[in-house]
Amino acid sequence: GIQVEQSPPDLILQEGANSTLRCNFSDSVNNLQWFHQNPWGQLINLFYIPSGTKQNGRLSATTVATERYSLLYISSSQTTDSGVYFCRGGSNYKLTFGKGTLLTVNP
Amino acid sequence: EAGVAQSPRYKIIEKRQSVAFWCNPISGHATLYWYQQILGQGPKLLIQFQNNGVVDDSQLPKDRFSAERLKGVDSTLKIQPAKLEDSAVYLCAIKGGLADTGELFFGEGSRLTVL
Repeated sequence: GIQVEQSPPDLILQEGANSTLRCNFSDSVNNLQWFHQNPWGQLINLFYIPSGTKQNGRLSATTVATERYSLLYISSSQTTDSGVYFCRGGSNYKLTFGKGTLLTVNP
Repeated sequence: EAGVAQSPRYKIIEKRQSVAFWCNPISGHATLYWYQQILGQGPKLLIQFQNNGVVDDSQLPKDRFSAERLKGVDSTLKIQPAKLEDSAVYLCAIKGGLADTGELFFGEGSRLTVL
């Protein structure tokens, strides 16, 4: 199946800083989603973005399907942004989660 | 967002006991998934249903895990007998959205601890 590599595995920021999270895929993707897992364990949808760029407030995401990667940008980070960020991607019925990026935003 | 209710939220059992989890999505979503998430890892697909039928159960440990989907809506996941390594969060998701784009929506999960 498709391999999904997320980087960095861990990230510590001060409140107000910006960050970029990345997902690389071993094969082509036509289905890609970013999630935030909150401290209570629920996976919250951030973006469904098989291609192109989307923005929602302080968060934005870009997927370059031809180059098999996606980026999640967090600007002016807040302590509530802390948690694990996952991407899930692939094509047709073969979709896989990455191992996640653990983000800690300190006040 | 599509609603997915899961129960119980927490369960503690001893090894070799059995446990069942329920997933109750709002109706109208053909595709339903069960994922297992072990602490520190990404979710792993256990089984995918399309209506009542199984699309993919290649990673379901069939000697101890079973799942069914009733009337194409609700679903149950059972573990019998449980092992220590089954301690995890069990997540139910539906594929939804107005355009049925493949976007997944998750429930809050059921956290299992096996002692």
